[in-house]
Amino acid sequence: DSGVTQTPKHLITATGQRVTLRCSPRSGDLSVYWYQQSLDQGLQFLIQYYNGEERAKGNILERFSAQQFPDLHSELNLSSLELGDSALYFCASSVGGARNTEAFFGQGTRLTVV
Amino acid sequence: AQTVTQSQPEMSVQEAETVTLSCTYDTSENNYYLFWYKQPPSRQMILVIRQEAYKQQNATENRFSVNFQKAAKSFSLKISDSQLGDTAMYFCAFISNFGNEKLTFGTGTRLTIIP
Repeated sequence: DSGVTQTPKHLITATGQRVTLRCSPRSGDLSVYWYQQSLDQGLQFLIQYYNGEERAKGNILERFSAQQFPDLHSELNLSSLELGDSALYFCASSVGGARNTEAFFGQGTRLTVV
Repeated sequence: AQTVTQSQPEMSVQEAETVTLSCTYDTSENNYYLFWYKQPPSRQMILVIRQEAYKQQNATENRFSVNFQKAAKSFSLKISDSQLGDTAMYFCAFISNFGNEKLTFGTGTRLTIIP
């Protein structure tokens, strides 16, 4: 168990809908990262938060947004869902940056858009 | 932009044998970090080993070791005395020492350990 908790584990929803994925980082970790793993795109970095502030943005669609709350948990909001958004969404956390401190991954949320 | 290439989509090896997974990367930077992550059927990503580019010595973690060839931009993972629990997808990843701290992943190698 990495100590990173993601909920829900599985989610099935229809096209056009909106969902929220939740991540609780390991105790004491200030950085949270979101990644998308799909069959055609592989593992792609979406966004990073550090202590409540957005630190880096990757290939995140405008329909997607995220935030990190004062208690350091993070949420990834996906709206106007399309079939191509079906993927495994990972959250990872680290004490500081991912260069010098290990990033621990959660077990992911499997999103299926039908 | 950095890219990471894993040219072996699948590999299999007998239990207790040694296997080497290949990874090459492309970057114009001199300082960076390389990683191997394991994703077992439970799908959780687990860090196997980490290498800092400025260190010439190859990293080792128990049965796992790397062969880091900076000039060739090659970063292979050797698993010795392979065990059934080593069956997983293995991803090579890169982080630049500059800019954002995103991990850039390769496409992965599916490793199967045969009893």
